[in-house]
Amino acid sequence: GAVVSQHPSRVICKSGTSVKIECRSLDFQATTMFWYRQFPKQSLMLMATSNEGSKATYEQGVEKDKFLINHASLTLSTLTVTSAHPEDSSFYICSARTDNSYEQYFGPGTRLTVT
Amino acid sequence: GEDVEQSLFLSVREGDSSVINCTYTDSSSTYLYWYKQEPGAGLQLLTYIFSNMDMKQDQRLTVLLNKKDKHLSLRIADTQTGDSAIYFCALAQLSSGSARQLTFGSGTQLTVLP
Repeated sequence: GAVVSQHPSRVICKSGTSVKIECRSLDFQATTMFWYRQFPKQSLMLMATSNEGSKATYEQGVEKDKFLINHASLTLSTLTVTSAHPEDSSFYICSARTDNSYEQYFGPGTRLTVT
Repeated sequence: GEDVEQSLFLSVREGDSSVINCTYTDSSSTYLYWYKQEPGAGLQLLTYIFSNMDMKQDQRLTVLLNKKDKHLSLRIADTQTGDSAIYFCALAQLSSGSARQLTFGSGTQLTVLP
Protein backbone atom coordinates (compact mmCIF):
# COMPACT_ATOMS: atom_id res chain seq x y z
CA GLY A 1 0.00 0.00 0.00
CA ALA A 2 0.83 3.72 0.14
CA VAL A 3 1.90 4.14 -3.47
CA VAL A 4 2.41 7.53 -5.04
CA SER A 5 2.78 7.87 -8.79
CA GLN A 6 3.98 10.74 -10.93
CA HIS A 7 3.36 11.42 -14.56
CA PRO A 8 5.24 11.92 -16.74
CA SER A 9 8.47 10.37 -15.52
CA ARG A 10 10.49 12.39 -17.99
CA VAL A 11 9.62 15.40 -20.14
CA ILE A 12 11.54 17.60 -22.52
CA CYS A 13 9.98 20.90 -23.52
CA LYS A 14 10.96 24.07 -25.32
CA SER A 15 11.70 27.29 -23.51
CA GLY A 16 8.59 29.40 -23.03
CA THR A 17 6.12 26.52 -22.93
CA SER A 18 4.25 25.20 -19.89
CA VAL A 19 4.50 21.72 -18.46
CA LYS A 20 2.09 19.96 -16.11
CA ILE A 21 3.25 17.22 -13.72
CA GLU A 22 0.72 14.99 -11.98
CA CYS A 23 1.09 13.39 -8.58
CA ARG A 24 -1.40 10.71 -7.56
CA SER A 25 -1.88 8.71 -4.40
CA LEU A 26 -3.03 5.37 -5.71
CA ASP A 27 -4.36 3.58 -2.67
CA PHE A 28 -4.92 6.20 -0.01
CA GLN A 29 -6.36 9.66 0.38
CA ALA A 30 -3.71 12.32 0.68
CA THR A 31 -4.85 15.30 2.68
CA THR A 32 -1.47 16.93 2.23
CA MET A 33 0.90 16.79 -0.70
CA PHE A 34 4.36 18.27 -0.98
CA TRP A 35 6.36 19.30 -4.02
CA TYR A 36 10.15 19.17 -3.96
CA ARG A 37 12.85 20.09 -6.39
CA GLN A 38 16.17 18.30 -6.52
CA PHE A 39 19.24 19.45 -8.41
CA PRO A 40 21.89 16.91 -9.40
CA LYS A 41 23.77 15.51 -6.43
CA GLN A 42 21.90 17.79 -4.07
CA SER A 43 19.24 17.38 -1.44
CA LEU A 44 15.53 17.94 -1.83
CA MET A 45 14.27 21.49 -1.60
CA LEU A 46 10.68 21.90 -0.50
CA MET A 47 8.81 24.12 -2.94
CA ALA A 48 5.29 24.09 -1.58
CA THR A 49 2.78 22.33 0.61
CA SER A 50 -0.74 21.79 -0.60
CA ASN A 51 -3.85 20.69 1.23
CA GLU A 52 -6.85 19.37 -0.65
CA GLY A 53 -9.23 22.16 -1.57
CA SER A 54 -6.94 24.94 -0.35
CA LYS A 55 -4.35 27.19 -1.89
CA ALA A 56 -0.81 25.91 -1.71
CA THR A 57 1.67 27.35 0.75
CA TYR A 58 4.89 28.24 -1.03
CA GLU A 59 8.35 28.31 0.49
CA GLN A 60 10.31 31.51 0.47
CA GLY A 61 11.88 32.20 -2.90
CA VAL A 62 9.49 30.00 -4.88
CA GLU A 63 7.45 31.96 -7.41
CA LYS A 64 3.80 31.00 -7.04
CA ASP A 65 2.91 32.42 -10.44
CA LYS A 66 5.54 30.31 -12.10
CA PHE A 67 4.92 27.06 -10.25
CA LEU A 68 1.15 26.61 -10.16
CA ILE A 69 -0.06 23.94 -7.77
CA ASN A 70 -3.55 22.52 -7.75
CA HIS A 71 -4.76 19.93 -5.22
CA ALA A 72 -8.33 19.48 -6.39
CA SER A 73 -8.95 16.03 -4.95
CA LEU A 74 -7.65 13.78 -2.20
CA THR A 75 -5.74 11.69 -4.71
CA LEU A 76 -4.38 14.20 -7.20
CA SER A 77 -2.13 17.23 -7.10
CA THR A 78 -0.63 18.93 -10.15
CA LEU A 79 2.38 21.17 -10.56
CA THR A 80 2.44 23.35 -13.67
CA VAL A 81 5.70 25.00 -14.60
CA THR A 82 4.67 28.03 -16.63
CA SER A 83 6.85 29.70 -19.26
CA ALA A 84 9.61 27.22 -18.57
CA HIS A 85 13.24 28.24 -18.93
CA PRO A 86 16.40 26.11 -19.01
CA GLU A 87 17.11 26.96 -15.37
CA ASP A 88 13.85 25.22 -14.45
CA SER A 89 15.38 21.95 -15.61
CA SER A 90 15.44 19.72 -12.55
CA PHE A 91 14.08 16.61 -10.89
CA TYR A 92 10.66 17.28 -9.36
CA ILE A 93 9.42 14.94 -6.64
CA CYS A 94 6.07 14.91 -4.91
CA SER A 95 5.11 13.28 -1.65
CA ALA A 96 1.84 12.66 0.09
CA ARG A 97 0.59 11.97 3.56
CA THR A 98 -2.67 11.51 5.40
CA ASP A 99 -3.69 13.30 8.56
CA ASN A 100 -3.15 10.24 10.71
CA SER A 101 0.24 9.26 9.37
CA TYR A 102 3.71 10.32 10.35
CA GLU A 103 5.04 8.99 7.07
CA GLN A 104 5.43 10.81 3.79
CA TYR A 105 5.21 8.62 0.72
CA PHE A 106 7.26 9.80 -2.23
CA GLY A 107 6.59 9.58 -5.91
CA PRO A 108 9.26 8.33 -8.33
CA GLY A 109 10.03 11.84 -9.57
CA THR A 110 9.76 13.68 -12.89
CA ARG A 111 12.86 14.70 -14.82
CA LEU A 112 12.16 18.03 -16.58
CA THR A 113 14.53 19.26 -19.25
CA VAL A 114 13.88 22.65 -20.84
CA THR A 115 15.71 23.27 -24.10
CA GLY B 1 15.43 27.03 10.78
CA GLU B 2 16.61 23.49 11.10
CA ASP B 3 20.08 22.68 9.82
CA VAL B 4 20.77 19.04 8.98
CA GLU B 5 24.25 17.84 8.10
CA GLN B 6 25.51 14.61 6.57
CA SER B 7 28.82 13.42 5.18
CA LEU B 8 28.65 13.37 1.41
CA PHE B 9 30.35 10.05 0.70
CA LEU B 10 30.88 6.64 2.30
CA SER B 11 32.52 3.56 0.81
CA VAL B 12 32.42 0.11 2.38
CA ARG B 13 33.27 -3.44 1.33
CA GLU B 14 30.47 -5.88 0.65
CA GLY B 15 29.61 -7.75 3.83
CA ASP B 16 30.88 -5.01 6.14
CA SER B 17 28.65 -2.74 8.18
CA SER B 18 27.90 0.81 7.03
CA VAL B 19 27.25 3.66 9.41
CA ILE B 20 25.75 6.83 8.02
CA ASN B 21 25.66 9.83 10.33
CA CYS B 22 23.44 12.86 10.57
CA THR B 23 23.60 15.85 12.90
CA TYR B 24 20.92 18.46 13.40
CA THR B 25 20.41 21.69 15.27
CA ASP B 26 16.74 21.86 16.29
CA SER B 27 16.17 19.92 19.48
CA SER B 28 12.41 20.03 18.95
CA SER B 29 12.66 17.53 16.11
CA THR B 30 10.01 14.97 16.81
CA TYR B 31 10.13 12.53 13.92
CA LEU B 32 13.42 11.44 12.38
CA TYR B 33 13.54 9.45 9.16
CA TRP B 34 15.98 7.70 6.88
CA TYR B 35 15.24 7.60 3.16
CA LYS B 36 17.04 5.80 0.35
CA GLN B 37 17.26 7.16 -3.19
CA GLU B 38 18.51 5.10 -6.10
CA PRO B 39 19.65 6.83 -9.30
CA GLY B 40 16.83 8.56 -11.15
CA ALA B 41 14.22 7.42 -8.64
CA GLY B 42 12.16 8.90 -5.85
CA LEU B 43 12.72 8.38 -2.16
CA GLN B 44 12.01 5.16 -0.33
CA LEU B 45 11.32 5.34 3.38
CA LEU B 46 13.66 2.90 5.11
CA THR B 47 12.89 3.49 8.75
CA TYR B 48 12.04 6.17 11.25
CA ILE B 49 12.41 6.88 14.94
CA PHE B 50 10.50 9.09 17.32
CA SER B 51 12.37 11.52 19.53
CA ASN B 52 11.39 9.62 22.67
CA MET B 53 13.34 6.57 21.44
CA ASP B 54 17.08 5.91 21.61
CA MET B 55 17.34 2.97 19.28
CA LYS B 56 15.29 1.08 16.75
CA GLN B 57 16.25 -2.07 14.89
CA ASP B 58 14.54 -3.39 11.80
CA GLN B 59 16.24 -6.41 10.21
CA ARG B 60 19.60 -5.17 8.88
CA LEU B 61 18.92 -1.58 9.84
CA THR B 62 19.66 -0.04 13.23
CA VAL B 63 18.88 3.58 14.01
CA LEU B 64 20.54 5.27 16.96
CA LEU B 65 19.44 8.63 18.30
CA ASN B 66 21.56 10.70 20.68
CA LYS B 67 19.37 13.62 21.61
CA LYS B 68 22.00 15.23 23.80
CA ASP B 69 24.44 15.44 20.91
CA LYS B 70 21.66 15.89 18.30
CA HIS B 71 23.10 12.98 16.38
CA LEU B 72 21.26 10.36 14.36
CA SER B 73 22.87 7.35 12.73
CA LEU B 74 21.84 4.54 10.43
CA ARG B 75 23.75 1.28 10.59
CA ILE B 76 23.34 -1.22 7.76
CA ALA B 77 24.60 -4.68 8.67
CA ASP B 78 26.06 -7.02 6.05
CA THR B 79 26.03 -4.31 3.39
CA GLN B 80 25.24 -5.53 -0.12
CA THR B 81 25.88 -4.02 -3.54
CA GLY B 82 22.16 -3.34 -3.80
CA ASP B 83 22.50 -0.98 -0.85
CA SER B 84 24.53 1.43 -2.99
CA ALA B 85 22.43 4.59 -3.12
CA ILE B 86 22.05 8.02 -1.59
CA TYR B 87 20.75 8.03 1.96
CA PHE B 88 18.94 11.06 3.35
CA CYS B 89 18.07 11.77 6.93
CA ALA B 90 15.01 13.94 7.36
CA LEU B 91 13.45 15.59 10.37
CA ALA B 92 10.02 16.91 11.15
CA GLN B 93 9.01 19.10 14.04
CA LEU B 94 5.73 19.50 15.87
CA SER B 95 6.18 23.21 15.28
CA SER B 96 5.56 22.67 11.58
CA GLY B 97 1.99 21.82 12.50
CA SER B 98 -0.12 19.15 10.97
CA ALA B 99 1.69 19.52 7.66
CA ARG B 100 4.84 18.07 9.26
CA GLN B 101 7.17 19.36 6.63
CA LEU B 102 10.44 17.51 6.36
CA THR B 103 13.87 19.08 6.45
CA PHE B 104 16.39 16.95 4.58
CA GLY B 105 20.08 16.49 5.04
CA SER B 106 22.38 16.79 2.06
CA GLY B 107 22.44 13.05 1.50
CA THR B 108 25.25 10.50 1.81
CA GLN B 109 26.32 8.58 -1.28
CA LEU B 110 27.00 5.02 -0.14
CA THR B 111 29.19 2.97 -2.45
CA VAL B 112 29.52 -0.74 -1.76
CA LEU B 113 32.68 -2.26 -3.18
CA PRO B 114 32.80 -5.94 -4.13
